[in-house]
Formats: sequence, C-alpha cells, structure tokens
Amino acid sequence: SQQGEEDPQALSIQEGENATMNCSYKTSINNLQWYRQNSGRGLVHLILIRSNEREKHSGRLRVTLDTSKKSSSLLITASRAADTASYFCATFIYNQGGKLIFGQGTELSVKP
Amino acid sequence: EPEVTQTPSHQVTQMGQEVILRCVPISNHLYFYWYRQILGQKVEFLVSFYNNEISEKSEIFDDQFSVERPDGSNFTLKIRSTKLEDSAMYFCASSVGKQSMNTEAFFGQGTRLTVV
Repeated sequence: SQQGEEDPQALSIQEGENATMNCSYKTSINNLQWYRQNSGRGLVHLILIRSNEREKHSGRLRVTLDTSKKSSSLLITASRAADTASYFCATFIYNQGGKLIFGQGTELSVKP
Repeated sequence: EPEVTQTPSHQVTQMGQEVILRCVPISNHLYFYWYRQILGQKVEFLVSFYNNEISEKSEIFDDQFSVERPDGSNFTLKIRSTKLEDSAMYFCASSVGKQSMNTEAFFGQGTRLTVV
C-alpha cells in the first residue's frame, strides 16, 4: 500500500486563486512534511506539521493535519505564477530509521 | 544559510561503470540520507546513515550500492556497476536528529545520473 498519496495529481489555476492539495497516508506518523520541487530541480522544504498539531501557517501556506482521517492538506493562498511546481507530502516515522516516505506529488500550474 | 551540496550536478556514465556521487551535509547534522527520483516518478528512500553505519535501507539499495563517510564532511553513494535503470536524480539529505518530532530533512539540489 502507498503511504502519502496526493490528490489531485495535477492542478491548474489562475494567478490570485487559492490552490489546495491533499495528501492521505496509511500508517501512524510522527510528522508530515510538504516539499516543493521546480521542474528538474531539488526539493525545497516548505513546512513540517507534527502529529499533535492540527494546523500550521507559513506566509501564504496553510497546512492542516487530521490524524483521525490520516490526511493533510496544503493551501496556497493568492497564488503566483512562481508557485508553479510539483508539491509533495512526505511522512516521517522515526522508528523506521527516520526516513521520509514521499507521495506521487501534485503538479501545480499557475497561469498568469 | 547552511545547505546540503551535491556534486556533480550531472553525471553521464556507461553501463557497467562505477560511479560515486558526493554530498556535503550540513555541518552539525548527524543523520544522512540518499533518495532517488526516476524521471516522472516519486522520490524513493534508499538509505539512512548514522554514527558511521547504515540505519536502514530500502529494497532498492542492493549489493550494487554502498555509502561511506570517508571524512568529517563528505557522504558518498557508490554504485558499483551501473545499469540503465539506475538513471535517476539522486538526492542527498541530512537532518539534525532522528528521534524528534521536529526532524526536518534538508535536501541537496541533486545529481542527475544518466547511464548510457
């Protein structure tokens, strides 16, 4: 079974609109992290939410975590063309060697 | 701001050749990782390393792969005899700790390995 699955797989919006990406996972986690990847580039850490937190903000980003539903969402408000990238959620389980398990990602396209 | 650096950014190698991918983790970090991303696919965990030994490895990390911390700063991934399917972007990452609710992994820019 897959840990960390995002939906939608692709999202296209206009500049100024909000973008919401969802992530579901299957096992208990210690924290969940969201990363961004511009085409062919490295992974940039956006935000980490711990399993005992429900919501976290960072600038235009808002992340929620619902451990009862094993799901998280990433909201980007007032999107910009520069937000165009792939966004991945990654779950962290520390008793499994501290590895991150990534989802397939959501490809976000923000049109100017 | 401290960052994880990887060299080279792009490596082309012939099938069957050995390659070494290099990483310099953030200096006060203790846990090191290698991940890979085949084009168009998800990022996959390969191996984690702590206290000069492997903490965990995935099934991808077979006998063709090895990791080493040869000195106080570098962390390397060696692929002994490359196959076409090893072509991917390889990411190095490091983190301060493992047993923490706040463990954030910092990733390098990646090395694109192309096996021809």
